[in-house]
Amino acid sequence: GAGVSQSPSNKVTEKGKDVELRCDPISGHTALYWYRQSLGQGLEFLIYFQGNSAPDKSGLPSDRFSAERTGGSVSTLTIQRTQQEDSAVYLCASSLSYSLAGGVEQFFGPGTRLTVL
Amino acid sequence: DAKTTQPTSMDCAEGRAANLPCNHSTISGNEYVYWYRQIHSQGPQYIIHGLKNNETNEMASLIITEDRKSSTLILPHATLRDTAVYYCIGSSSNTGKLIFGQGTTLQVKP
Repeated sequence: GAGVSQSPSNKVTEKGKDVELRCDPISGHTALYWYRQSLGQGLEFLIYFQGNSAPDKSGLPSDRFSAERTGGSVSTLTIQRTQQEDSAVYLCASSLSYSLAGGVEQFFGPGTRLTVL
Repeated sequence: DAKTTQPTSMDCAEGRAANLPCNHSTISGNEYVYWYRQIHSQGPQYIIHGLKNNETNEMASLIITEDRKSSTLILPHATLRDTAVYYCIGSSSNTGKLIFGQGTTLQVKP
């Protein structure tokens, strides 16, 4: 079946503009995660969705970042008034509902490479 | 969430076993140890996870010490395509979020 897909694959924008990044998780996966990977940095967690709610937003770096998920499926990460330090690869992952009992595999999409000029 | 420590880089000869160590001395009793890898320009790929017992799947084996303070990922017959950054992650979060460290860059050489 289809894996996690993300769009666009590449986005170049000017400083100060807003951008929207989209993630289509694997069908049936109720858990959805956003991460980002900056040049020279590791992968950092941004936000977690269980269904349409986001119980963990602790990784969002500022209030310019927001995300939503509708219908328990597609998620959109929005960055307002982009800054050059927002340049990174934004990765989405999905999984079956997380449970401490058993652990669960996350499936990652290919990422969106965002460049802010 | 447990802090993990891995060597920065390792080399392995093609066809030989690659043994990647990870220290996770702060791991708690209900924390799983996960291994992911990231091949250049791709999203991370799940490899294996375990709690107490050793685990094996089609990709690798995971050996966890009895005190659970360290583990070793074994790729039994490394190929050039196994060249990647390998991440060892411990997480007891109620959300399953992965806290990535710097990982080990494994270079498989012909």
